[in-house]
Amino acid sequence: DQQVKQNSPSLSVQEGRISILNCDYTNSMFDYFLWYKKYPAEGPTFLISISSIKDKNEDGRFTVFLNKSAKHLSLHIVPSQPGDSAVYFCAARVQTGANNLFFGTGTRLTVIP
Amino acid sequence: ETGVTQSPTHLIKTRGQQVTLRCSSQSGHNTVSWYQQALGQGPQFIFQYYREEENGRGNFPPRFSGLQFPNYSSELNVNALELDDSALYLCASRQGNYGYTFGSGTRLTVV
Repeated sequence: DQQVKQNSPSLSVQEGRISILNCDYTNSMFDYFLWYKKYPAEGPTFLISISSIKDKNEDGRFTVFLNKSAKHLSLHIVPSQPGDSAVYFCAARVQTGANNLFFGTGTRLTVIP
Repeated sequence: ETGVTQSPTHLIKTRGQQVTLRCSSQSGHNTVSWYQQALGQGPQFIFQYYREEENGRGNFPPRFSGLQFPNYSSELNVNALELDDSALYLCASRQGNYGYTFGSGTRLTVV
């Protein structure tokens, strides 16, 4: 039962343009959402997060949007840089029990110089 | 402050064997979780320890077990290894409800 879904396994974007990575979820009890970036042979690195009480959070070139009614969130990277090329994971948390994270399957972003 | 460190980085085991993976939490973090990431998948929650007690478990069989020590470091043990156990095993630590920090993982190959 995949509660967090990233339906695009890959995305290619020209350097300087906007990258938009999408994520859908099914569990309405998720209260906190995170984006992680992962390079080969490294663990996931935290990028940005958003609480369910907000609809937007911005940090430099990265902005996360949350649409609770659609159970959809997106990560915008602008402008995209070659160093942004990595696998991006969307994750969500239920604030009960262990507060563990549920991850999507990831989207591989390639930024073309 | 040091991050989350895991050892070993790579490991090859034979089906039926047992394996122990280790994790040192980030300084000040009292909660540690373990995740399994199979090829082409996102990380899946195995279990979590808080102050040396397991306080959450995902959909993994009992042959996956763990420990947390007083210094908050942790071990993941897997008995009777199966080919499908081949994956990247990630440890994550945190203090409170936020700030999940992941280690670089241990790549386990079962042959």
